[in-house]
Amino acid sequence: GAVVSQHPSWVICKSGTSVKIECRSLDFQATTMFWYRQFPKQSLMLMATSNEGSKATYEQGVEKDKFLINHASLTLSTLTVTSAHPEDSSFYICSATDWMETQYFGPGTRLLVL
Amino acid sequence: GESVGLHLPTLSVQEGDNSIINCAYSNSASDYFIWYKQESGKGPQFIIDIRSNMDKRQGQRVTVLLNKTVKHLSLQIAATQPGDSAVYFCAETRTNAGGTSYGKLTFGQGTILTVHP
Repeated sequence: GAVVSQHPSWVICKSGTSVKIECRSLDFQATTMFWYRQFPKQSLMLMATSNEGSKATYEQGVEKDKFLINHASLTLSTLTVTSAHPEDSSFYICSATDWMETQYFGPGTRLLVL
Repeated sequence: GESVGLHLPTLSVQEGDNSIINCAYSNSASDYFIWYKQESGKGPQFIIDIRSNMDKRQGQRVTVLLNKTVKHLSLQIAATQPGDSAVYFCAETRTNAGGTSYGKLTFGQGTILTVHP
């Protein structure tokens, strides 16, 4: 089946620094990728929808200047958390859709901001 | 409004028992529903899906029931095994006119399933 990878799987950074998370579709081309955030013992919350070659669409309440999304190719989308703060610590999960628009989820990236 | 998860209910069962996990969805326009399993520290894994023109669908050891009247979805797991222990989420979405694709998913609150040997 379709495989989606994320890198890194976990990251620890200091407050004020920026962190980039990559989401790759390994064996299919993904025209659309989604970014979710999940806090402990909570559900997945959609942050933004990313389409290849165009600007991402952010959900209400998600700061686009803080969570920069780039979808430069059909197999790669990146999420950059700028000037990260402890409240940004979370589990970030991406998903990618194939030509059937089935969503395949990545393994997630755990971010800890100190 | 949208379903928003803030707290996860729990379900504890003995190995070999059948498990039933429930989900209430909020958007009456949703016509496609998916159950996901999420193990600790991992991304969601597809289990089974169902379209709104059906009220029951069976997979291997799993059955999904859909009651559109009360906007309720359930996942039944037969002969539950310790490896089934995880968090289970339902997700809802609306497909396009042809029913061939869908957009963003809205996830339910999730249920923590613990299977005791």
